[in-house]
Amino acid sequence: QKEVEQDPGPLSVPEGAIVSLNCTYSNSAFQYFMWYRQYSRKGPELLMYTYSSGNKEDGRFTAQVDKSSKYISLFIRDSQPSDSATYLCAMDFGNEKLTFGTGTRLTIIP
Amino acid sequence: DAGITQSPRHKVTETGTPVTLRCHQTENHRYMYWYRQDPGHGLRLIHYSYGVKDTDKGEVSDGYSVSRSKTEDFLLTLESATSSQTSVYFCAISPSDTQYFGPGTRLTVL
Repeated sequence: QKEVEQDPGPLSVPEGAIVSLNCTYSNSAFQYFMWYRQYSRKGPELLMYTYSSGNKEDGRFTAQVDKSSKYISLFIRDSQPSDSATYLCAMDFGNEKLTFGTGTRLTIIP
Repeated sequence: DAGITQSPRHKVTETGTPVTLRCHQTENHRYMYWYRQDPGHGLRLIHYSYGVKDTDKGEVSDGYSVSRSKTEDFLLTLESATSSQTSVYFCAISPSDTQYFGPGTRLTVL
């Protein structure tokens, strides 16, 4: 079993829909949680960063962490074609090394 | 790309030849990382550095070596390239508890 599990998709939704992306993890020692967005043939770009359980909002994006269930989510409201990308979750024990999910490929259909 | 450049951006080489990839940062951060990204595996850590001349192995370090003689440069060397090392290689820096990635190097070993 991988430490971080992420459904690879692909996931296709119509423009304007709410998108929900999820990761589960097995090690309760993870302390920091991140979401990266990666466009085709580009480097991953940090989208959201959170430390505690609960929700963090930034514009159309909301990151949610449930440490008791070992589950994190990224919600995208009012999805746009420009949101089409691969989304990677990542986690850190606090030792400066990240463990990544395999990524979910998202397509927003105009 | 957060003050990170990678060179070359693309390279095609033959099995058995040595290859060196360069990562350069303008941010003066202590931590630097090399990852490879492959379909179905996500981002996997090869080696990382926590200061000049201070490096350590990641989860997929076999066949790779690194060097860091200056804060701003982190080199990844494939001593004798194999076809299994065909991949996209990303460098990252870490200013705090998260990481920022370079644009990547696409390496093909024939």
